[in-house]
Formats: sequence, C-alpha cells, structure tokens
Amino acid sequence: AQKVTQAQTEISVVEKEDVTLDCVYETRDTTYYLFWYKQPPSGELVFLIRRNSFDEQNEISGRYSWNFQKSTSSFNFTITASQVVDSAVYFCALSRPQGGYSTLTFGKGTMLLVSP
Amino acid sequence: EPEVTQTPSHQVTQMGQEVILRCVPISNHLYFYWYRQILGQKVEFLVSFYNNEISEKSEIFDDQFSVERPDGSNFTLKIRSTKLEDSAMYFCASRTPPDGTSSYNSPLHFGNGTRLTVT
Repeated sequence: AQKVTQAQTEISVVEKEDVTLDCVYETRDTTYYLFWYKQPPSGELVFLIRRNSFDEQNEISGRYSWNFQKSTSSFNFTITASQVVDSAVYFCALSRPQGGYSTLTFGKGTMLLVSP
Repeated sequence: EPEVTQTPSHQVTQMGQEVILRCVPISNHLYFYWYRQILGQKVEFLVSFYNNEISEKSEIFDDQFSVERPDGSNFTLKIRSTKLEDSAMYFCASRTPPDGTSSYNSPLHFGNGTRLTVT
C-alpha cells in the first residue's frame, strides 16, 4: 500500500522567510512518481512538479526548490523568500504506474500562511 | 493554456437525489479521472477512465457512482442517490497519453472542482 505523510498541518511565516514543507512517502514499488500540487484559497489544484524515482537530482524553479532523497523516502519542498501569494495548501502525492493508468495518493496537505 | 473545465462550480442537492457533475477535459487527453476532497481533508482518488471504460476505481466508488463519456468532449460523474457524506469538492482531471519521449506518467491536470453540498 502507498502512503504519503505530511506531518506539518499548518505553517505560518512572515513574508521573505524561507519555508520547507516536508513529505515522507511509503511504497513497495521500485518505479514511482512524486508530485507537489498547490491549492490556493480559490480551490483549484495547481501542478507544481513531478519527479520519478530514478531521478534524485534536486530541482530549482525560481523561488521553489525540491529535495528528493530516496534513502529517507522524502521529497521536501522549499520556498525561498516567501510571498503572500504563496499562501495555500500544498499537497505531496505519489503515483505508481498500473498499465499506464496511474493514480495519485495524496498526503493530507500542509497549509502555508504567509503574512505581510 | 488549455484547461480542464468543470460545471457547475457549486451544486446543492437534497439527500437521495441524483446529481451529475460535468467535466470537459483537455482536448487531446485520453485518460480521465475523478477525485474528491471532503472539506479540510486530503484529496482522494475515485476512478480512472480510458478508452470508454473504467480502468481503476477506489473503494469509495461504489454502486452509487458511475462515470460516462457521452460524447467526444464531456466526462461526467453521476451519483444516483446522494448521501450527506457525499458532500465534498469533486475534481476532474485528465492527462496526455505516454509517448516515446515523455514521462510514462504525465502529470494530471485538474479542473477547478465542483463543490457538492448534500442537505
């Protein structure tokens, strides 16, 4: 069975602070994919990043960076110099291929509140 | 950029009534999904659909639920006899088929969701 744990329910920071959102996953599959999605107050789910299990290179996209460590089954997300617009719920998710029809297992999400 | 479109954005219904939630996936996508999110909780998989049939479904997706692609553009979720616990945000998603160069699992593109309230 797959499981995604986001231990941080809510994080509050002041604008311009750096913040790291933790994600720990469990899977028996050797091939899998990890995702982060953002859910702003308006409710939609916005895709941020996808990582496959064979690619442990960290990735940076602007103020966002992701640290994938297979040894600790973690896929953490860091926002540098946070902004008020970053306030949202962030979901980490895990998928596995099943004949090409993969489905996502989501964590419970971390609510990030960035205050001015 | 193409979007997954869901209608209505909010639906209120009485317990026991049938509801149909509608989705228009991105036009060249071939894999379709429904997920739901009970208020304040995590997003949960309901069903995946490909080639006009269900490819996978979760335990949540019982006989009260059905999906259909009635034409070339719409993808619907029907709940036959709604219960109070069906109140949730329902997300439709779609993705591209895998090809020889792209990742085997292209990311899901989600719609904005339909908030279903069962009273």
